[in-house]
Amino acid sequence: DTGVSQDPRHKITKRGQNVTFRCDPISEHNRLYWYRQTLGQGPEFLTYFQNEAQLEKSRLLSDRFSAERPKGSFSTLEIQRTEQGDSAMYLCASTRTENTEAFFGQGTRLTVV
Amino acid sequence: GESVGLHLPTLSVQEGDNSIINCAYSNSASDYFIWYKQESGKGPQFIIDIRSNMDKRQGQRVTVLLNKTVKHLSLQIAATQPGDSAVYFCAENGDYGGSQGNLIFGKGTKLSVKP
Repeated sequence: DTGVSQDPRHKITKRGQNVTFRCDPISEHNRLYWYRQTLGQGPEFLTYFQNEAQLEKSRLLSDRFSAERPKGSFSTLEIQRTEQGDSAMYLCASTRTENTEAFFGQGTRLTVV
Repeated sequence: GESVGLHLPTLSVQEGDNSIINCAYSNSASDYFIWYKQESGKGPQFIIDIRSNMDKRQGQRVTVLLNKTVKHLSLQIAATQPGDSAVYFCAENGDYGGSQGNLIFGKGTKLSVKP
């Protein structure tokens, strides 16, 4: 499979714990995006990378959230001290360049109990 | 502010009929639009895109129309099939921080196809 892959697919964690998600984009894609989606809503932009540089961060991305793409390939999204409001689907997408189709992974569904 | 929204939250059609899903956007600076299909428990799947220098683009059984005058986008699905049942989102490239690096999504329209 040469699409965007995300790991894990599901994560259940207790409030206050830290979680980390991984995204492997399509190999030749320079841009990588993180989105969050809650039930019945469209995906909300969190942040994106151009190669290893994090170029934009949404106001939704609190200090508890951090994302990295150290070698310009895979990316990780970490949430520290999780809260119940963090429960959502976290989606990763990649594109070759700006204004080209973004391909999404299957997402990581986070449940904070 | 910028926003992308949809006129109808749900749409029910008979198998074989044509479907039209509408979307309104407010950011006149957006120059790239995409339609996505999302099935339950899966990530959004690219359907078709259009740039602002076009007003129509056709794919396989799908057509996207862009009316920049009224900031309206529509997705037409010909001969709708049960497999088309999903939530459909329109998205525009956002002017977040001036870089237009991200996509802004609307809330989605749920399409149900009756056999």
